[in-house]
Amino acid sequence: KNEVEQSPQNLTAQEGEFITINCSYSVGISALHWLQQHPGGGIVSLFMLSSGKKKHGRLIATINIQEKHSSLHITASHPRDSAVYICAVGGGGADGLTFGKGTHLIIQP
Amino acid sequence: ETGVTQTPRHLVMGMTNKKSLKCEQHLGHNAMYWYKQSAKKPLELMFVYNFKEQTENNSVPSRFSPECPNSSHLFLHLHTLQPEDSALYLCASSQGHGATNEKLFFGSGTQLSVL
Repeated sequence: KNEVEQSPQNLTAQEGEFITINCSYSVGISALHWLQQHPGGGIVSLFMLSSGKKKHGRLIATINIQEKHSSLHITASHPRDSAVYICAVGGGGADGLTFGKGTHLIIQP
Repeated sequence: ETGVTQTPRHLVMGMTNKKSLKCEQHLGHNAMYWYKQSAKKPLELMFVYNFKEQTENNSVPSRFSPECPNSSHLFLHLHTLQPEDSALYLCASSQGHGATNEKLFFGSGTQLSVL
């Protein structure tokens, strides 16, 4: 079974700062997901990637398959980015994703 | 708006009650999921349905009973729950067959409290 570790668990930063959240996993995967969960519970899928890098607006996700590591970057952070960011990995089959515990991000004005 | 709607948003029930959670997706997806999120724990997969057929039951106690009458609707029937079942229950859907390399679309969740 894959083990997913996220760091840091909690992060508080000032508006405008560059944010990095890390995710490491123990077993090779076919896909890694980055999810965003706002207060109130709803989860939004930000990225799904299996290699390289993806960018969407101020968000960038990278993955290094050899090192079993992924990072989520937020440029020019804003208070509305405050949320829990969750990393999840899967082997490609239908046996379900393995989720990290999440990184609780607070961006202060 | 993700296209996945869950009701109710909040539910308080006693241990002897029977209640149901409902999920509806308007995305034309083939796979639907129930996840459980307990405080300070990672999301846990409970059930996966692929084309209305259950393909995964992640060792969930029988007091949780899923039902998928069609590809757009998913229910979770609850009976004789325990206080430790209090959690956020999230429904999700994906376009394909329930594989882990499919993008997930989540509902807003039902916050369940068992007294």
